Amino acid sequence: AQKVTQAQTEISVVEKEDVTLDCVYETRDTTYYLFWYKQPPSGELVFLIRRNSFDEQNEISGRYSWNFQKSTSSFNFTITASQVVDSAVYFCALPRNTDKLIFGTGTRLQVFP
Amino acid sequence: NAGVMQNPRHLVRRRGQEARLRCSPMKGHSHVYWYRQLPEEGLKFMVYLQKENIIDESGMPKERFSAEFPKEGPSILRIQQVVRGDSAAYFCASSHRGGLRGNEQFFGPGTRLTVL
Repeated sequence: AQKVTQAQTEISVVEKEDVTLDCVYETRDTTYYLFWYKQPPSGELVFLIRRNSFDEQNEISGRYSWNFQKSTSSFNFTITASQVVDSAVYFCALPRNTDKLIFGTGTRLQVFP
Repeated sequence: NAGVMQNPRHLVRRRGQEARLRCSPMKGHSHVYWYRQLPEEGLKFMVYLQKENIIDESGMPKERFSAEFPKEGPSILRIQQVVRGDSAAYFCASSHRGGLRGNEQFFGPGTRLTVL
């Protein structure tokens, strides 16, 4: 079965703390992609990253970094020195056939000043 | 350089009425996906369309829901005889190409449907 699990329903941190959001996936495909999206309180969906299964190198973009571990089927997302503007719901997603996205249930991150 | 546009942004309907949600994909995109987000839940795939064709409707409820993407004009998600359980945010996404290539989907701002 194709499945994405985000076990952390809600995380609260204080500004400047580092926080890691977990994503575990299941797929029968040998090649696949994974996505992360952010949904701020305003409600829109913001694309953060796409990663393919060929490349297991970690990716860093400013305060954001992603750790892809094929051996544990995980694609975790870390925010360094969190800010209040990072408060949002974060979704991990796995495309299935025809590219329809299978989303996890999301992790709500609250960053307090 | 307009992104994916959805209208209306908010829609209120009474039980039994029809709801029509529109989605204009990004320029040059001919692949449209519709997703539904129920309150406090993640997004669930509903339907995938290309121009004039429904490619995958495996996530669509069997009754009352339909979708189209005509040759000209926006994609339409139509819900007939709405019920309270249809209250949700409906997101449209467009892509330049379809198929299992991990193509990035660009999402619209969503339409929030409230059924009274």
